[in-house]
Amino acid sequence: DVKVTQSSRYLVKRTGEKVFLECVQDMDHENMFWYRQDPGLGLRLIYFSYDVKMKEKGDIPEGYSVSREKKERFSLILESASTNQTSMYLCASGVFQGAAPQETQYFGPGTRLLVL
Amino acid sequence: AQSVTQLGSHVSVSEGALVLLRCNYSSSVPPYLFWYVQYPNQGLQLLLKYTSAATLVKGINGFEAEFKKSETSFHLTKPSAHMSDAAEYFCAVSARMEYGNKLVFGAGTILRVKS
Repeated sequence: DVKVTQSSRYLVKRTGEKVFLECVQDMDHENMFWYRQDPGLGLRLIYFSYDVKMKEKGDIPEGYSVSREKKERFSLILESASTNQTSMYLCASGVFQGAAPQETQYFGPGTRLLVL
Repeated sequence: AQSVTQLGSHVSVSEGALVLLRCNYSSSVPPYLFWYVQYPNQGLQLLLKYTSAATLVKGINGFEAEFKKSETSFHLTKPSAHMSDAAEYFCAVSARMEYGNKLVFGAGTILRVKS
């Protein structure tokens, strides 16, 4: 079974703090994703990484950055946390099948972040 | 641009009744469609996906979905609801990015199963 783990289930941070969310997958997948989940909005893509040190902006990248130094690990960084970044953050991974659109994404359990 | 619309943010059914969760898509290219389920305090799990091989797709836990191009729909059904089906369900469509594919999700439908 594919396993995607996230470093924290719950985080509480203060406005202006730098926040790191970590994600690790154990299936040697090429692709990794960070989504944000908000009630009534579903999931929205923040960033996508298709290889080590390679990334592409998603739909809502403002206020976020990412890092992928190793294939299995993908980090989401909030440079200066704000209250409107209070949300559930979900990491996912997927096999690169020649850019196949039918790729299944496998999700981690999520990190619920509260910014005070 | 690809998008999906889920009709009904909340659906309530009795145990043993038919489950019908609605999803309509918009896509300028032949779509690849997915249904995911999220149980409380968990990540998303794939239920099934449509990849053009067959219009009726069977998934896990007795769920199935039918792709109807004429109606631009991909509704999820289960003949008999079980208490354990209570969860949030997301419909998604694959959308091309420069270096891969992302999922574009609907807003989700929370399914409640009454005993």
